[in-house]
Amino acid sequence: DIQLTQSPSSLSASVGDSVTITCRASQNMRTYLNWYQVKPGKVPKLLIYDASSLQSGVPSRFSGSGSGTNFALTITSLQPEDSATYFCQQSYSTPHTFGQGTNLEIK
Amino acid sequence: QVQVVQSGAEVKKPGASVKVSCKVGGNTFRGQHIHWVRQAPGQGLEWIGWINLTGGTIYAQKFLGWVTMTRDTSTNTAYLDLSRLTSDDTAVYYCATDGGRLHAFEVWGQGTTITVSS
Repeated sequence: DIQLTQSPSSLSASVGDSVTITCRASQNMRTYLNWYQVKPGKVPKLLIYDASSLQSGVPSRFSGSGSGTNFALTITSLQPEDSATYFCQQSYSTPHTFGQGTNLEIK
Repeated sequence: QVQVVQSGAEVKKPGASVKVSCKVGGNTFRGQHIHWVRQAPGQGLEWIGWINLTGGTIYAQKFLGWVTMTRDTSTNTAYLDLSRLTSDDTAVYYCATDGGRLHAFEVWGQGTTITVSS
């Protein structure tokens, strides 16, 4: 199974700041890496697919990068509504594992 | 956008079984793979498995033997059957569509809370 390790596990930032969350894979996954946003009591939302493609309707302040084993999600110009937990997930092979999540707090 | 609606919350006793449904609106069901994911209280997301367009299934190792996924194209509905439930299975269970193009979980159901308690 492919293991995904996210860092940091939590972070706190202010409105207007930029943050980067990283996701490291235990083996080469090309670009089969997706990012989701999960808010308490809400449905998970696909943000980025194929490592760097922005899902329709997602604000352009979200961006993804990387390939192989190292990936990143960057959020610029943070907004209060960006407070959530973010998960990376791989679709390269089954089981389609998730990272452990990064909890983002907006101060 | 495709609408995905799941069945309601259930409370079950240990050892019982439960069946969760996932109805996909519109005429897109036939073209969608369906994945199932769960989130236990305070935990992360866990992939359970998927059922593809033709009914083929792949389950994560830990779910082999007690989880069954099916789909009914006549009602545009996918199902997740869980048997021999334990308290560790208390979680929100989600279905999510995968049109095969994005290789991602595109549209999620609202989630079904399964509580296992004696």
